[in-house]
Amino acid sequence: DAKTTQPNSMESNEEEPVHLPCNHSTISGTDYIHWYRQLPSQGPEYVIHGLTSNVNNRMASLAIAEDRKSSTLILHRATLRDAAVYYCILSLLGFGVQGGKLIFGQGTELSVKP
Amino acid sequence: NAGVMQNPRHLVRRRGQEARLRCSPMKGHSHVYWYRQLPEEGLKFMVYLQKENIIDESGMPKERFSAEFPKEGPSILRIQQVVRGDSAAYFCASSPPTVMEKLFFGSGTQLSVL
Repeated sequence: DAKTTQPNSMESNEEEPVHLPCNHSTISGTDYIHWYRQLPSQGPEYVIHGLTSNVNNRMASLAIAEDRKSSTLILHRATLRDAAVYYCILSLLGFGVQGGKLIFGQGTELSVKP
Repeated sequence: NAGVMQNPRHLVRRRGQEARLRCSPMKGHSHVYWYRQLPEEGLKFMVYLQKENIIDESGMPKERFSAEFPKEGPSILRIQQVVRGDSAAYFCASSPPTVMEKLFFGSGTQLSVL
């Protein structure tokens, strides 16, 4: 499985943008980039995913480098409720065994200061 | 539409007892995944099931652990003769039968073995 590298922790101020980086230099052409987050004492929550183009949804934006060897999750205005561990995961998409077999790393623990 | 429901939320067992963890997927979802999160570690894939079929159990310990997803009723993760090392948070996730884009996780069952 292709590996991702994320900083262990990051800090942000409330209402400011947050850029969470992820390196995945061994990504293959069929790997999608997924982001999940896990709030304290809860299960992971899907945030966003993409393949090549940048993606936006109501939660966040995903910026993917042209060579796809890195990506950045962008929270446009951090709130206290965004404090969580953020996981960057590479996975095949679609029906099949690999679809749900997400390989979680250690993630980035984001703390948000008021 | 209710999310993925797991029960119990907390389960305490003594060494040697059996633990049964239940997971009801989201309505319309026929794929279920179990993950385990040991203290201070990331989530680890355990098993992927469809109705009445185990598709991938590559992450399941070889002994004492079993999982099922019957035609009717919730998915069950069963741990026989629990040991202290089984203490962990167990998360269930589900996805629909069509193209899998994301997993929906439950809030987990915290198993404590005394």
